[in-house]
Amino acid sequence: AQKITQTQPGMFVQEKEAVTLDCTYDTSDPSYGLFWYKQPSSGEMIFLIYQGSYDQQNATEGRYSLNFQKARKSANLVISASQLGDSAMYFCAMREGQVNTGKLIFGQGTTLQVKP
Amino acid sequence: KAGVTQTPRYLIKTRGQQVTLSCSPISGHRSVSWYQQTPGQGLQFLFEYFSETQRNKGNFPGRFSGRQFSNSRSEMNVSTLELGDSALYLCASSPDLVGVPNNEQFFGPGTRLTVL
Repeated sequence: AQKITQTQPGMFVQEKEAVTLDCTYDTSDPSYGLFWYKQPSSGEMIFLIYQGSYDQQNATEGRYSLNFQKARKSANLVISASQLGDSAMYFCAMREGQVNTGKLIFGQGTTLQVKP
Repeated sequence: KAGVTQTPRYLIKTRGQQVTLSCSPISGHRSVSWYQQTPGQGLQFLFEYFSETQRNKGNFPGRFSGRQFSNSRSEMNVSTLELGDSALYLCASSPDLVGVPNNEQFFGPGTRLTVL
């Protein structure tokens, strides 16, 4: 069963507008972490934001915020004031369990294109 | 602080050969994870090493193996290469700090392997 689902293969957004990238997840573990990464065409994965399952507030990092709805098992990434440099592939990922582990389960990704 | 480095960046091999990829984590990071990225399967976890021991393993055949040295540098080896092994291989390191829930994984630029 797919543990991380990103239903939007591609998205377009106008420069300076906000955009929401969807992510739903599936786990029976009460302790987990959710990550968003950006992958430009160069290939390197860039960490954007993290949300822990026990965090009471939605995570924010500059122009990035995470709309975490635990009951719906969704962790959507919101990018405000889009910039041309935001054009890239975006991945949602999950780490299960309380014990530190380097194993991340990734979604299929969403390609975002920012239009001038 | 230097980032995660991977060598070589590009590699071309033929079917049946074997290949070794190298990853040097960020100084002080003890956990190294490897991922395979292909257009069809997306990003898939291969294995994770921590303090020279394999801590987690993904669902890959035994042709894929790895190891970690005392300085945390890691290598992964693929024997008897198949066409389907063509992929971007990403390495990620993490400080793996106890009590820190969002132990971020820092990714390297990847090694692009082409199997002919």
